[in-house]
Amino acid sequence: KQEVTQIPAALSVPEGENLVLNCSFTDSAIYNLQWFRQDPGKGLTSLLLIQSSQREQTSGRLNASLDKSSGRSTLYIAASQPGDSATYLCAVRQLGYSTLTFGKGTMLLVSP
Amino acid sequence: GAVVSQHPSRVICKSGTSVKIECRSLDFQATTMFWYRQFPKQSLMLMATSNEGSKATYEQGVEKDKFLINHASLTLSTLTVTSAHPEDSSFYICSARPDYSGGPYNEQFFGPGTRLTVL
Repeated sequence: KQEVTQIPAALSVPEGENLVLNCSFTDSAIYNLQWFRQDPGKGLTSLLLIQSSQREQTSGRLNASLDKSSGRSTLYIAASQPGDSATYLCAVRQLGYSTLTFGKGTMLLVSP
Repeated sequence: GAVVSQHPSRVICKSGTSVKIECRSLDFQATTMFWYRQFPKQSLMLMATSNEGSKATYEQGVEKDKFLINHASLTLSTLTVTSAHPEDSSFYICSARPDYSGGPYNEQFFGPGTRLTVL
């Protein structure tokens, strides 16, 4: 059974810092991995999608990497801003399954 | 990106009543949609996979007679919570994967969620 772990569970940083969120998964047989952002009481916003054949994806200040063989992904946020404060969720789609398996998320707080 | 809407965004109902939540893909077709629930400060828990034109597939422990799912078209899936009780109070989120080329490699898009409170 696929298990997804996110570390740290919570992170508090001052504005302007670069930071890294970590995601690990136990079964490397995946189609892809997605990073999401969730604001309190809201749905999920897809940030980045990395296919199993890719090593990284970039969108603005966000960069996500994937090391499928070791079962790890990182989300790098450059020059963090208070507006980045949210919970970040990592999810993988395992080969042969139509569903996503989610981690528990990292709650990020960026203070001005 | 593709847009998924949910209606209502918030609903309060009395114990014993039924509540219907709609999930629509606004600018794409989706043969497959998914229903999740989320408790406070918890991650998403998959409830069921909804397939257009066929019965939904429920996860272990989810009562199919309590959580009725209908996927009547390629852009609409509904979740009906029947005889709701306070323990059904939760945040319900739907998602959809577009049918366009890419198949299982396509990303999933999520709705804004529905907050259900059962009194």
